[in-house]
Amino acid sequence: GAVVSQHPSRVICKSGTSVKIECRSLDFQATTMFWYRQFPKQSLMLMATSNEGSKATYEQGVEKDKFLINHASLTLSTLTVTSAHPEDSSFYICSARDEGSEKLFFGSGTQLSVL
Amino acid sequence: EDQVTQSPEALRLQEGESSSLNCSYTVSGLRGLFWYRQDPGKGPEFLFTLYSAGEEKEKERLKATLTKKESFLHITAPKPEDSATYLCAVGHPQAGTALIFGKGTTLSVSS
Repeated sequence: GAVVSQHPSRVICKSGTSVKIECRSLDFQATTMFWYRQFPKQSLMLMATSNEGSKATYEQGVEKDKFLINHASLTLSTLTVTSAHPEDSSFYICSARDEGSEKLFFGSGTQLSVL
Repeated sequence: EDQVTQSPEALRLQEGESSSLNCSYTVSGLRGLFWYRQDPGKGPEFLFTLYSAGEEKEKERLKATLTKKESFLHITAPKPEDSATYLCAVGHPQAGTALIFGKGTTLSVSS
């Protein structure tokens, strides 16, 4: 089946640094990818929709200057958390839509811990 | 406002003890109801998509059903390996195929 690769799976960083998370669709092209954030025992909250070759669409309350999204190719989207602070610590998950099957597949997630 | 509510929040079963998880939703323009399984520290794993009331889908010990207001995930004779959090989600009309998720039901099956 379709696979979405996300890495790193875990990252620990100091406050004020930037962290980049990559999301790749391995065997299909994805014109649209989605980035979610999940707190413990909470549901996945949509952060933004990433469209290949255009600017991302951010959900209300998500700072686009803090969470930079780049979707430069049909198989890769990146999320950069800029000037990370402890409150940014969370589980970040990407998903990609397989246009052929119309199914949505998820990456394995990235646990970000900001000290 | 679009909402997805799952119940119960947690469910403990003995191996072989069948049960059902509930997902109720209020959304304008439903574009599919999705069930995912999520293991700790992992991304969601796709299980089923349902599009219309009356539709049913099965996979091993799992069976998903859909009505106009809710969906059920029936687990028949569960095994310990079925222990996970089960997430329900609905299509988000304004964001294409982005999904609105419920908080999930954490299932624990003991032998």
